[in-house]
Amino acid sequence: ETGVTQTPRHLVMGMTNKKSLKCEQHLGHNAMYWYKQSAKKPLELMFVYNFKEQTENNSVPSRFSPECPNSSHLFLHLHTLQPEDSALYLCASSQERGQGARYGYTFGSGTRLTVV
Amino acid sequence: DQQVKQNSPSLSVQEGRISILNCDYTNSMFDYFLWYKKYPAEGPTFLISISSIKDKNEDGRFTVFLNKSAKHLSLHIVPSQPGDSAVYFCAASGHSGAGSYQLTFGKGTKLSVIP
Repeated sequence: ETGVTQTPRHLVMGMTNKKSLKCEQHLGHNAMYWYKQSAKKPLELMFVYNFKEQTENNSVPSRFSPECPNSSHLFLHLHTLQPEDSALYLCASSQERGQGARYGYTFGSGTRLTVV
Repeated sequence: DQQVKQNSPSLSVQEGRISILNCDYTNSMFDYFLWYKKYPAEGPTFLISISSIKDKNEDGRFTVFLNKSAKHLSLHIVPSQPGDSAVYFCAASGHSGAGSYQLTFGKGTKLSVIP
């Protein structure tokens, strides 16, 4: 148990489906992140939330919609995805946004998403 | 434009020998460099970091060296153990070109330690 829990672990969805990924942390951290890991590519930062406020959106298409109802929970809502969106989606948390980049983030195990 | 580069996708080392993983970066404004380790079906785990004002940081079998003039860092694992077999990601923190402060990752190097 890493302290950051992601559900589901695997998800297969059609291009017209709507689904949500969930991330939960019990570490008392105030910053949470969504990363995307595609094959043979670096981890790509998607969204950053600091004290429940979105502080970063790295030009992510609107078919990905994040939600952070509180500092412990983070969601990624998915709608009309494309097959090229198939990837491993990782959630991470840190004490605060700036500190995390110095001391490291705590990552969840990820959701393996396949869009068919 | 990749700011953090790991040019070796894989590395095989005999158990007990030294593993050296390399990383190059282009942004001279990065202030911290980190190494993460990732096993299959798990998220990356923070391993060790180094401030840009240092040139070496050691933690047990793991040592990270930073050469700022060459914009190069390396992770040394000695002695290597079979349990070290994983994908190792180099990451750097600092302000991106857009002005935001974030962590930028390399593509990773898969280390295989042969018993």
